[in-house]
Amino acid sequence: DTEVTQTPKHLVMGMTNKKSLKCEQHMGHRAMYWYKQKAKKPPELMFVYSYEKLSINESVPSRFSPECPNSSLLNLHLHALQPEDSALYLCASSQGPSSPETQYFGPGTRLTVL
Amino acid sequence: GENVEQHPSTLSVQEGDSAVIKCTYSDSASNYFPWYKQELGKRPQLIIDIRSNVGEKKDQRIAVTLNKTAKHFSLHITETQPEDSAVYFCAASRGGGADGLTFGKGTHLIIQP
Repeated sequence: DTEVTQTPKHLVMGMTNKKSLKCEQHMGHRAMYWYKQKAKKPPELMFVYSYEKLSINESVPSRFSPECPNSSLLNLHLHALQPEDSALYLCASSQGPSSPETQYFGPGTRLTVL
Repeated sequence: GENVEQHPSTLSVQEGDSAVIKCTYSDSASNYFPWYKQELGKRPQLIIDIRSNVGEKKDQRIAVTLNKTAKHFSLHITETQPEDSAVYFCAASRGGGADGLTFGKGTHLIIQP
């Protein structure tokens, strides 16, 4: 399996809801990433997990809470989001951690916050 | 942190002509430079990458050049085809220890028939 998968494909939520995004890879990669992409903009790094431990948090608001339950799975828990958080959320993985690493992206979850 | 500048923001070329997209980076510790192609509504797809110990890399119609002294790298697409139309992003990272990518703002490449 050479793919990164993400569920759901689309998510609409209210500002008081709690939801989770899921990312999975079965390539044996040990580094996983969350990026946020607004329309007509480049992806922006949010979090990096290396060997299931959070290694980078790019000053992301606490309403976004990442979790890496095992080496194949990465979650992003969402709570009390704002309309400006509406975006495409991309997960990526790389063989890591060694230098330098090719990152493979999942198809993304398109999130709309009402 | 790293800052990646990308030019031009839009590039329109005739089918069959060549296209060149340029990027500069700020962090001299960066040593990995991938290029991604993103079609509308799709994920970024890696098309080519280059590491700092290499000056040039080619894969069929696509080539990337890197000048570490000047801190710039370029994407060259020859014999462009309609399916090359997309947004192209350059990126940079330090690698080692699962470093995230810093992306340029993207170039919208339009291939005119």
